[in-house]
Amino acid sequence: GAVVSQHPSRVICKSGTSVKIECRSLDFQATTMFWYRQFPKQSLMLMATSNEGSKATYEQGVEKDKFLINHASLTLSTLTVTSAHPEDSSFYICSANPTGEDTIYFGEGSWLTVV
Amino acid sequence: GDSVTQMEGPVTLSEEAFLTINCTYTATGYPSLFWYVQYPGEGLQLLLKATKADDKGSNKGFEATYRKETTSFHLEKGSVQVSDSAVYFCALSSTTGGGNKLTFGTGTQLKVEL
Repeated sequence: GAVVSQHPSRVICKSGTSVKIECRSLDFQATTMFWYRQFPKQSLMLMATSNEGSKATYEQGVEKDKFLINHASLTLSTLTVTSAHPEDSSFYICSANPTGEDTIYFGEGSWLTVV
Repeated sequence: GDSVTQMEGPVTLSEEAFLTINCTYTATGYPSLFWYVQYPGEGLQLLLKATKADDKGSNKGFEATYRKETTSFHLEKGSVQVSDSAVYFCALSSTTGGGNKLTFGTGTQLKVEL
């Protein structure tokens, strides 16, 4: 079946630095990918919709200047957390579905810890 | 907008007990409905899905039926095992752009004891 891969799976960064998380669709093309965030013991919240070749669409309350999303190709979307702070520590996960299919595939997720 | 309401946990059951986790939704149109499971320290895994009214999704002994009249998609299992201990998320999908985005419920933690 279709596979979505995320990298890195775990990252620790210092406060004030930026960190990039990649989401790749390995065997299909995705014009749209989605980024979610999950706080400990809470549900997943949609952060933004990543659109290939155009600007991402952010959900209400998500800072677009802080969470930069780039979807430069049909198989890759990146999420960059800029000037990270400890409150940005969370589990970030992406999803995508092949065109015409309603099965949604998730990446493995990325645990971000800001110290 | 779309929303999913899920029964709050945690739910603690003895092994071989019957499980029901309630889920209701609000959506425009006819969304697909999903149950995802998250085991400790892991990402999300699709457990089952249903794409239209009266469809029944099933997997690993779990079942859920898409009830349009009650806007519900309750998860059931006749006999739970310790290995079923996890967090279960109900979700619905809506199409935007070229993809399907998910709206999740708050999740229900299930703990199964011997």
